[in-house]
Amino acid sequence: QVQLQESGPGLVKPSETLSLTCTVSGDSVTNTCWSWVRQPPGKGLEWVGYICYSGTTNYSPSLKSRLTMSVDTSKNQFSLKLSSVTDADTAVYYCGRDNMGSIDCWGQGTPVTVSS
Amino acid sequence: DVVLTQSPLSLPVTLGQPASISCRSSQSLVYSDGNNYLNWFHQRPGQSPRRLLYKVSDRASGVPDRFSGSGSGTDFTLKISRVEAEDVGVYYCMQGTHWPYTFGQGTKLEIK
Repeated sequence: QVQLQESGPGLVKPSETLSLTCTVSGDSVTNTCWSWVRQPPGKGLEWVGYICYSGTTNYSPSLKSRLTMSVDTSKNQFSLKLSSVTDADTAVYYCGRDNMGSIDCWGQGTPVTVSS
Repeated sequence: DVVLTQSPLSLPVTLGQPASISCRSSQSLVYSDGNNYLNWFHQRPGQSPRRLLYKVSDRASGVPDRFSGSGSGTDFTLKISRVEAEDVGVYYCMQGTHWPYTFGQGTKLEIK
């Protein structure tokens, strides 16, 4: 059974960099592509981007200039870094397994608040 | 970006009655391989989303057959044949045909 678990600081100061990691169990990060989705408080879902083991990435155009994703095969993890954060980046961040234009498995989500 | 418009945004339903949610796309979701990469997700309060349907009508593992999907191109529908108490929450459509992936605004289903 595939499981994904997000981790990272729950509080980030404005203008700093948000860093999150998703640890995968029950599958290998080398097998497919992996996504991040976020959900601001009380709002809907926003796709952030995805990364494949091959190095292929696709980022939301609205975040592309601030976003970097990477894969660590030794730890079976993938990560997200979002720079120059503002209040608008406050959200629950979910990691997920990409499967042919879908997300078939989701982490439980980790809340991130941007505040000084 | 592809805009997905769901309707209704709020859906009060009596237990045991059917329910239907529409998802309309600003562009055709037919991919070069002939598939429509249109998904439906269900999110209960305080939980992560769960995939219900992919490629319009394929049910994800463990999803009851009271959930069904239809449509092609720009118009899609999720139907629940008989609503149960566990079906409350927000339903989202999501397209994976065009970059970037996009979600609909969500439809909140509640029991009358």
